[in-house]
Amino acid sequence: GQSLEQPSEVTAVEGAIVQINCTYQTSGFYGLSWYQQHDGGAPTFLSYNALDGLEETGRFSSFLSRSDSYGYLLLQELQMKDSASYFCAVRRNTDKLIFGTGTRLQVFP
Amino acid sequence: NAGVTQTPKFRVLKTGQSMTLLCAQDMNHEYMYWYRQDPGMGLRLIHYSVGEGTTAKGEVPDGYNVSRLKKQNFLLGLESAAPSQTSVYFCASRRTGGGNTGELFFGEGSRLTVL
Repeated sequence: GQSLEQPSEVTAVEGAIVQINCTYQTSGFYGLSWYQQHDGGAPTFLSYNALDGLEETGRFSSFLSRSDSYGYLLLQELQMKDSASYFCAVRRNTDKLIFGTGTRLQVFP
Repeated sequence: NAGVTQTPKFRVLKTGQSMTLLCAQDMNHEYMYWYRQDPGMGLRLIHYSVGEGTTAKGEVPDGYNVSRLKKQNFLLGLESAAPSQTSVYFCASRRTGGGNTGELFFGEGSRLTVL
């Protein structure tokens, strides 16, 4: 089988740093992606890690440890517009992309 | 510059009725996917296609059928709708080729209610 676990909700204040963790169990692992989804909107791609280590894209960074089946999304200098749901997703060698249940981030002023 | 377009965006059905959701992409992507999203459940893969004329089952395929007769279109059918199929449906596509991240490009979603 396969499973992804991430916290259901995280809260933080503007300007802070927040880390959203994701642990996964799957066969045929290719890589880990992160998506952002605002209420009523479609998911949009944030980052992808195929190899161990940190990938940085502006205020967002994503980390992967294949040996630990673990990754995280790091959001720095939080802004109100970052309030959204964040999904980790496992890319498998069967071309499937399987999503976690999502983490709702609320940023307070 | 349309990207991925889903029609219809909203639909209300009665139990037992049938309908088809259409997904069209203009990015020449090989792979296309149908997901459903329910509160607290994240996105669950229904069916997907790795190219024209191909389809494969995802995590929750029961009660749905799909077809990919043309590369740019991926149709999701409900033969006999049930209240459990009330959901928001997202279509997505992605390109293939070396170095790609597997990034999915999503449509805006289709909200289906089955009474």
